[in-house]
Amino acid sequence: KAGVTQTPRYLIKTRGQQVTLSCSPISGHRSVSWYQQTPGQGLQFLFEYFSETQRNKGNFPGRFSGRQFSNSRSEMNVSTLELGDSALYLCASSSDRVGDSTNEKLFFGSGTQLSVL
Amino acid sequence: AQKVTQAQTEISVVEKEDVTLDCVYETRDTTYYLFWYKQPPSGELVFLIRRNSFDEQNEISGRYSWNFQKSTSSFNFTITASQVVDSAVYFCAGAKAAGNKLTFGGGTRVLVKP
Repeated sequence: KAGVTQTPRYLIKTRGQQVTLSCSPISGHRSVSWYQQTPGQGLQFLFEYFSETQRNKGNFPGRFSGRQFSNSRSEMNVSTLELGDSALYLCASSSDRVGDSTNEKLFFGSGTQLSVL
Repeated sequence: AQKVTQAQTEISVVEKEDVTLDCVYETRDTTYYLFWYKQPPSGELVFLIRRNSFDEQNEISGRYSWNFQKSTSSFNFTITASQVVDSAVYFCAGAKAAGNKLTFGGGTRVLVKP
């Protein structure tokens, strides 16, 4: 079974631009979550999508948005990039909520490393 | 709100030594789920273990074992007979009953020297 696939692996953008990151979950998984990892703030939850609906949202500005398609693939968009948006963006997938099964867990991709110059 | 604290920022051991990673998970929830993930240099977070707040016993899985003390909110993780391939950053995380929002600790970098 293929794992969580994130593209691209690396991105370099300049301030003010916008960027779209892509995530393909494990086959059969309907939940996709996004996390931002920075040296200063650590790992922070951005949002979660389940069956094309945003189910949960973290404390990030409206410049960060996402969507999920009918095949469960998800995209994350960041508009008007700032230097502080430089980070590793990780996507995770699961069948459903971790509380719905005693064995449920999140599977993470290798991330997209975004550098904003 | 939940809070996850990993007090150790870096641990260095020699191969075959045991390594214990500390984690404190603070929450007012009665039902919650705790995880340990490993992040090698490739960046991917690799699932290691999960414990539910209502589980009765601590467990061992291969070289991994974990100890959950509800009274002190501690969720410690031990790697027995460490190997060089265990070198990575280890994250403790918790989740509430609803949703898949994981709250992560700051991570502990483990360096296993040959």
